[in-house]
Amino acid sequence: DGGITQSPKYLFRKEGQNVTLSCEQNLNHDAMYWYRQDPGQGLRLIYYSQIVNDFQKGDIAEGYSVSREKKESFPLTVTSAQKNPTAFYLCASSAGNRGYTFGSGTRLTVV
Amino acid sequence: EDQVTQSPEALRLQEGESSSLNCSYTVSGLRGLFWYRQDPGKGPEFLFTLYSAGEEKEKERLKATLTKKESFLHITAPKPEDSATYLCAVQDVNTNAGKSTFGDGTTLTVKP
Repeated sequence: DGGITQSPKYLFRKEGQNVTLSCEQNLNHDAMYWYRQDPGQGLRLIYYSQIVNDFQKGDIAEGYSVSREKKESFPLTVTSAQKNPTAFYLCASSAGNRGYTFGSGTRLTVV
Repeated sequence: EDQVTQSPEALRLQEGESSSLNCSYTVSGLRGLFWYRQDPGKGPEFLFTLYSAGEEKEKERLKATLTKKESFLHITAPKPEDSATYLCAVQDVNTNAGKSTFGDGTTLTVKP
């Protein structure tokens, strides 16, 4: 079955560490997105990519980085510059002007 | 700047008690309005896309409608399994294709 796989499901980060969240899709979608969700809040856009080797900053890109070397993969790195990284991270993909297909999310906690 | 406001923040219903969730939006031009369902600890699940005022979509006990300023998600005779957070999102014709702005959601609880 086609879908989006995010890993790991839970991730713990120490102060000063960079961590990378994985996102893989087999839907053949061109566009991929990373959103952050904080408790009781909606989704805020971190980065998005419409084609391979191209991506744009969203509304809250500071402290994050991405790459899009393959159509299927869009990993997100949370750098030490992100001062409040504890959140639920969601990866999504879409084809054209349609709704998103989301992954199951990664919950990141700073320890 | 695109804005999406959902109300109420939380809604508690008895099983079988119909109601509506509201999504008010501000965009320069609407490319599409989307409804999603999110269960605790999971990613949102796509429900509907609406493109123009007057459009309606239905799925089981859910019906989504659209005007030029807002959308409603009507829930008819809800069951406990309809309990979830419902998210509304919009895409603006003047932003890069596919980029969505989300509301904060309405958390629905249906008691048996």
